[in-house]
Amino acid sequence: DTAVSQTPKYLVTQMGNDKSIKCEQNLGHDTMYWYKQDSKKFLKIMFSYNNKELIINETVPNRFSPKSPDKAHLNLHINSLELGDSAVYFCASSQTSGRQFFGPGTRLTVL
Amino acid sequence: DAKTTQPTSMDCAEGRAANLPCNHSTISGNEYVYWYRQIHSQGPQYIIHGLKNNETNEMASLIITEDRKSSTLILPHATLRDTAVYYCIVRVASDSSYKLIFGSGTRLLVRP
Repeated sequence: DTAVSQTPKYLVTQMGNDKSIKCEQNLGHDTMYWYKQDSKKFLKIMFSYNNKELIINETVPNRFSPKSPDKAHLNLHINSLELGDSAVYFCASSQTSGRQFFGPGTRLTVL
Repeated sequence: DAKTTQPTSMDCAEGRAANLPCNHSTISGNEYVYWYRQIHSQGPQYIIHGLKNNETNEMASLIITEDRKSSTLILPHATLRDTAVYYCIVRVASDSSYKLIFGSGTRLLVRP
């Protein structure tokens, strides 16, 4: 009965590869987010979707492409992975302006 | 950039109250103060939020000064499991949504 789930939990890959991280929420929320936490532990918002529509798009390389097939899912696809993409990626969801619930994170390591 | 400043680290004894301060001198009138915590590398966990009035829930109390330029999170009886990084956040309006802009947080160590 996990509220916000992410897969995979760990992802190790080579530079230049393309990978996807999946996020699902069963809270009935209409807004979902992707955050990146780098090695210095700073958490920064990357994207936000409301009812499958992109509403927040921070300064993120266009190698990162979020996709929301429905309100309960927000996936993150990353092309041509670089060493600097290594981080923990957190998905979150909320009901519009309500408090955000975070997933357990996906630790991405690019070699 | 984060609109909050917090001490880098604090500690308190188990069973005692932990008082975590936060400055947000540039907060706007309709911006809420949120507190989250992160234990190890788990996902951030919501604690409490407020606008003007003091708030209390089963986890903590939030005291906001009258001028709203600072606030204090109070964990009334800290336990070892409260050891975590605590983030004070001003929720910022962005287009048709809101953003949580995390700062560097306060690393709280609860001592036995």
